[in-house]
Amino acid sequence: EIVMTQSPATLSVSPGERATLSCRASQSVSSNVAWYQQKPGQAPRLLIYDASTRATGIAARFSGSGSGTEFTLTISSLQSEDFAAYYCQQYSNWPPLTFGGGTKVEIK
Amino acid sequence: EVQLLESGGGLVQPGGSLRLSCVASGFTFSTYALSWVRQAPGKGLEWVSIIYSAGHSTYYADSVKGRFTISRDNSKNTLYLQMNSLRAEDTAVYYCAKGEYDSGKYYPGWGQGTLVTVSS
Repeated sequence: EIVMTQSPATLSVSPGERATLSCRASQSVSSNVAWYQQKPGQAPRLLIYDASTRATGIAARFSGSGSGTEFTLTISSLQSEDFAAYYCQQYSNWPPLTFGGGTKVEIK
Repeated sequence: EVQLLESGGGLVQPGGSLRLSCVASGFTFSTYALSWVRQAPGKGLEWVSIIYSAGHSTYYADSVKGRFTISRDNSKNTLYLQMNSLRAEDTAVYYCAKGEYDSGKYYPGWGQGTLVTVSS
């Protein structure tokens, strides 16, 4: 099973600043990584797939990068609605599909 | 608009059974892979099971293999999860998730979730 490790667990950022979230895979997953946003009490929402492709309707301030074992989600200028939890997920070697433990982006 | 509506959650005793349902609309149900993904209170996401479009291929997480059964009725646009021999660690919100096409690698569509609580 591929383990996805996200860091940091919590990221404190001021509105308007850049946020950089990291995700590391326990073995190479090529570019088979997706990112999701989840707000309290809501279902996850797909942001990025294939490591760097924005899903339909996702704002351009969200970008993904990386390949192999190291991946990054960048939010270029945090808006109030972006404070949420973010999860990475691999789909290279499955089942099982595996998710990272999440990064909570909070207001500084 | 894609809509997924889960139901069937509730309180059940350890060792008990429950069947979750997910009714879908807004897309051609019979052509997409669907998964169940769960989230324990205050925890992260855990993939549970997937079923492909025709319903013949299914896979499970080791944590539920042999206890849970995923199925679908394409004539009713409905996904199911039969959960038997429930344990306290199965307590979670269970989400129905629509895959991209029939590969189920990632999930553009999610339901609002249904809470399953396993407790005596």
